[in-house]
Amino acid sequence: DAGITQSPRHKVTETGTPVTLRCHQTENHRYMYWYRQDPGHGLRLIHYSYGVKDTDKGEVSDGYSVSRSKTEDFLLTLESATSSQTSVYFCAIRAQNTEAFFGQGTRLTVV
Amino acid sequence: AQKITQTQPGMFVQEKEAVTLDCTYDTSDQSYGLFWYKQPSSGEMIFLIYQGSYDEQNATEGRYSLNFQKARKSANLVISASQLGDSAMYFCAMRELLVEGAGSYQLTFGKGTKLSVIP
Repeated sequence: DAGITQSPRHKVTETGTPVTLRCHQTENHRYMYWYRQDPGHGLRLIHYSYGVKDTDKGEVSDGYSVSRSKTEDFLLTLESATSSQTSVYFCAIRAQNTEAFFGQGTRLTVV
Repeated sequence: AQKITQTQPGMFVQEKEAVTLDCTYDTSDQSYGLFWYKQPSSGEMIFLIYQGSYDEQNATEGRYSLNFQKARKSANLVISASQLGDSAMYFCAMRELLVEGAGSYQLTFGKGTKLSVIP
């Protein structure tokens, strides 16, 4: 198994609270991605990183921010959670010219 | 416009038969990569097969093959001899370079096709 861990695996939070999801890798891969998966929408890219401190927005970045201060960690923050951000969040890592390996996912519920 | 289009929300196939899952893509890059992933009901994402844009031969991995038609911008997944365990969601994805020099590769997924294998 690729060395990628997401935490927490499940979280229930209240509307308006900040939430941070963590993706940790032990593979030293350059690329890291955050996706959300919702029925009927597949996986939609939120933000991605192509190096330490190098990040860019994806298709659905509004309401989310990311940080990557070291190679192994990529943090996704919901500054003020809303019910529309209830979803399953996947982190993925990828080396140059290879496939992406996915974490187990985080199920986030905003009530 | 969608970069990855999977036009079949759901498909059924008889066990032991072959099935083709469609995927079309849109990019202006010359160098890109195409992937297929499987997501069973347990939720994990499983890599199946990869095709590079410069690869002249279609990729194959066991019972999976990728029918790559570059001019049509299609990358269909063919599963031969379907098994009950093939029942899952299947996602097509594309890697493309967004920022020259910065190495900013985005990885975009389609909405998926739910495959059901009938005994």
